[in-house]
Amino acid sequence: NAGVTQTPKFRVLKTGQSMTLLCAQDMNHEYMYWYRQDPGMGLRLIHYSVGEGTTAKGEVPDGYNVSRLKKQNFLLGLESAAPSQTSVYFCATYRISGMHEQYFGPGTRLTVT
Amino acid sequence: GENVEQHPSTLSVQEGDSAVIKCTYSDSASNYFPWYKQELGKRPQLIIDIRSNVGEKKDQRIAVTLNKTAKHFSLHITETQPEDSAVYFCAAIPLGFLSSNTGKLIFGQGTTLQVKP
Repeated sequence: NAGVTQTPKFRVLKTGQSMTLLCAQDMNHEYMYWYRQDPGMGLRLIHYSVGEGTTAKGEVPDGYNVSRLKKQNFLLGLESAAPSQTSVYFCATYRISGMHEQYFGPGTRLTVT
Repeated sequence: GENVEQHPSTLSVQEGDSAVIKCTYSDSASNYFPWYKQELGKRPQLIIDIRSNVGEKKDQRIAVTLNKTAKHFSLHITETQPEDSAVYFCAAIPLGFLSSNTGKLIFGQGTTLQVKP
């Protein structure tokens, strides 16, 4: 099993460009999350999904959109990238009947110039 | 909503010494407190957790204690080794009934632990 995977691993964008980060999981977990990690600020929740076709805002949703058309995939979109969105992005999954552990993907390092 | 404060932000110890990281939380409804370890360039991974009906939990060299009254919990690492060097995150979540459990963890800011050989 691959677990939680993220595509791409690295990306450099110019201000104003758009991109989509893909998170894929083969664990059949119901819930999925997108976090950003910045030095000294921990892991901050951007958006999350409790099931296929549903999404909700987290702590820092501005400038991002998400979609969960299939249970195994959770997409994070940046419509018009800004330097403030330079960060490491982590996807995570959670099984509601499990041990309450969140399983993280390997991360995507995004730089916006 | 829940707010989790974590201290210290950096911690340096000599190999073999103990390390303690402390977190406080604001929401008295929180009843599950996990700790995640993130090695350099890697993903965060769960190392230990505790529920509010337990005051202490141990797993080999690591332990977590919880004081519900004071709303704080701590991670203790004994006999530290260089491989313990990492960023540690505490988190809190209220685990309610299935319909209200979104699994949303609120993380502390992280503690960078350096173990000097």
